[in-house]
Amino acid sequence: EPEVTQTPSHQVTQMGQEVILRCVPISNHLYFYWYRQILGQKVEFLVSFYNNEISEKSEIFDDQFSVERPDGSNFTLKIRSTKLEDSAMYFCASKGEGYSNQPQHFGDGTRLSIL
Amino acid sequence: SQQGEEDPQALSIQEGENATMNCSYKTSINNLQWYRQNSGRGLVHLILIRSNEREKHSGRLRVTLDTSKKSSSLLITASRAADTASYFCARDRGSTLGRLYFGRGTQLTVWP
Repeated sequence: EPEVTQTPSHQVTQMGQEVILRCVPISNHLYFYWYRQILGQKVEFLVSFYNNEISEKSEIFDDQFSVERPDGSNFTLKIRSTKLEDSAMYFCASKGEGYSNQPQHFGDGTRLSIL
Repeated sequence: SQQGEEDPQALSIQEGENATMNCSYKTSINNLQWYRQNSGRGLVHLILIRSNEREKHSGRLRVTLDTSKKSSSLLITASRAADTASYFCARDRGSTLGRLYFGRGTQLTVWP
């Protein structure tokens, strides 16, 4: 069964550094998402993306965050200048055609640790 | 809060017993989805139930939806130790790309 894959599985970065989290969505999917889960807290929406544009973003997704689909397969989340509070699991998800009433498929996540 | 809230927060049962988890929400939905998360892993989609549906089944899973009470339940029958995980309901409020709002989840432990 097709999967969403995320790399790396764990990223350790110094505060203030830039980090790029990578995702390969399911190949025929058109809609892409990033969520994060701070340890012990709820999964929170960050951003949705379609047709090379951000569709919706949450209040968490400030100017330090950006997303890109650099080619036909990858979907990346960049954090420009990381803060301690950015430490979390970051999940990528994708969804297929007929977006309404279709499930989102999640990757296994990238654990981001900011030191 | 617009997010789903699961109840109970933790549930501990023996193998073979049924597990019931509940989810309540406050605003209207397009659909409601249940996910499972094993420790340290990603979210695995279990069932999606649309706002005009009342019940769905998938194997040992049964989901009900009562939009008048703004609540849903997930029943796992004949539970197994491998069902041990966190279970989340996630609400799609019908935004453009279906942003999901997650609850805090129910931690299910099934003892062999």
